[in-house]
Amino acid sequence: QKEVEQNSGPLSVPEGAIASLNCTYSDRGSQSFFWYRQYSGKSPELIMSIYSNGDKEDGRFTAQLNKASQYVSLLIRDSQPSDSATYLCAALTSSGGYQKVTFGTGTKLQVIP
Amino acid sequence: DTAVSQTPKYLVTQMGNDKSIKCEQNLGHDTMYWYKQDSKKFLKIMFSYNNKELIINETVPNRFSPKSPDKAHLNLHINSLELGDSAVYFCASSQDYDFLETQYFGPGTRLLVL
Repeated sequence: QKEVEQNSGPLSVPEGAIASLNCTYSDRGSQSFFWYRQYSGKSPELIMSIYSNGDKEDGRFTAQLNKASQYVSLLIRDSQPSDSATYLCAALTSSGGYQKVTFGTGTKLQVIP
Repeated sequence: DTAVSQTPKYLVTQMGNDKSIKCEQNLGHDTMYWYKQDSKKFLKIMFSYNNKELIINETVPNRFSPKSPDKAHLNLHINSLELGDSAVYFCASSQDYDFLETQYFGPGTRLLVL
């Protein structure tokens, strides 16, 4: 079982719709979670981080965390063609001063004009 | 000015060769990282340096060796290149050794081993 799992997609949504990206993780010790956006041929860019159960909103982006279900999601409202990219989920585990971050393989999002 | 820069952008080489990738950050950050992203987009951290001290050394082959001449530079040297080393290598930096700090990525070096 992969430590951080994402559906590779592509996930296609029409412009203006809500895109829902999902991520599950296997390590219950994971404490913090991150969503990165990566355009084709470019480097990853952090767009959201979440540490507590519940929702965290930033503009059109909402991250949701459910530690009991070991589930993290990213919602993108009013999707735009410029949101078309691969979205990487990452989980951070800290133990004894040592940090370990594990990435999923990403979900490719296509926003159709 | 580019915050995190890498050279070269592309690197094509033969199996068995030794190569280096350079990384520089002008953000005044204390920690720098090297990541490998394979063809399936799987991103994995390889090393991080905090104030010239190795903090993380993931289970990467010892053919890979990070070298940090100063806080602003973290170079990656690879000996005896293998086909499986073909990937995109990203350098990144953050203010402190803490993944909760935002990491700034370089543009990547695309390595192809023939």
